[in-house]
Amino acid sequence: GAVVSQHPSRVICKSGTSVKIECRSLDFQATTMFWYRQFPKQSLMLMATSNEGSKATYEQGVEKDKFLINHASLTLSTLTVTSAHPEDSSFYICSAPTGWNSPLHFGNGTRLTVT
Amino acid sequence: KQEVTQIPAALSVPEGENLVLNCSFTDSAIYNLQWFRQDPGKGLTSLLLIQSSQREQTSGRLNASLDKSSGRSTLYIAASQPGDSATYLCAVMDNSGYALNFGKGTSLLVTP
Repeated sequence: GAVVSQHPSRVICKSGTSVKIECRSLDFQATTMFWYRQFPKQSLMLMATSNEGSKATYEQGVEKDKFLINHASLTLSTLTVTSAHPEDSSFYICSAPTGWNSPLHFGNGTRLTVT
Repeated sequence: KQEVTQIPAALSVPEGENLVLNCSFTDSAIYNLQWFRQDPGKGLTSLLLIQSSQREQTSGRLNASLDKSSGRSTLYIAASQPGDSATYLCAVMDNSGYALNFGKGTSLLVTP
């Protein structure tokens, strides 16, 4: 079945540094990928929609200059958390559909801790 | 804006019991509804996808139903096992595109 690989699975960084998270579709092409964030005991919230070859679409309240998304190829999207702060500590997870109206396949997520 | 609610938030049952998880959504204009399983600190595993034109889907011991007009879905788990312990998430894909709107999940514990 379709596989989405997300790296790293866990990262700890100091406040003010930047962290890059990669999301790869391993056996299918993904023109669209989604990035979600999940705080403890909260539901997954969509942050942005990543589109191959064009600018990402951000949800209301998500700072596009802080959460940089690049979708340079049909199999790779990256999320960079710039100048990370402790409040950015969260579980970030990406997903991609194999086609229109098809199940979304998720990466295993990245646990980000900013100290 | 689509709102997805899951009841109960947590559930503990002894092994072998049949159980039902509930999901409701506010906007019935959906493309599909998907049930996921999330293990602690892990990603999501897709369990069942129900298209808006369908009433139910079955996979093994799992059965999901969809009543779009009333904005409800249920996930039925038969003969529960300790390995079923996880958080179960309901997510709705609406007419805005691919993205899903998630409920907060039901945390299930099946005790031996």
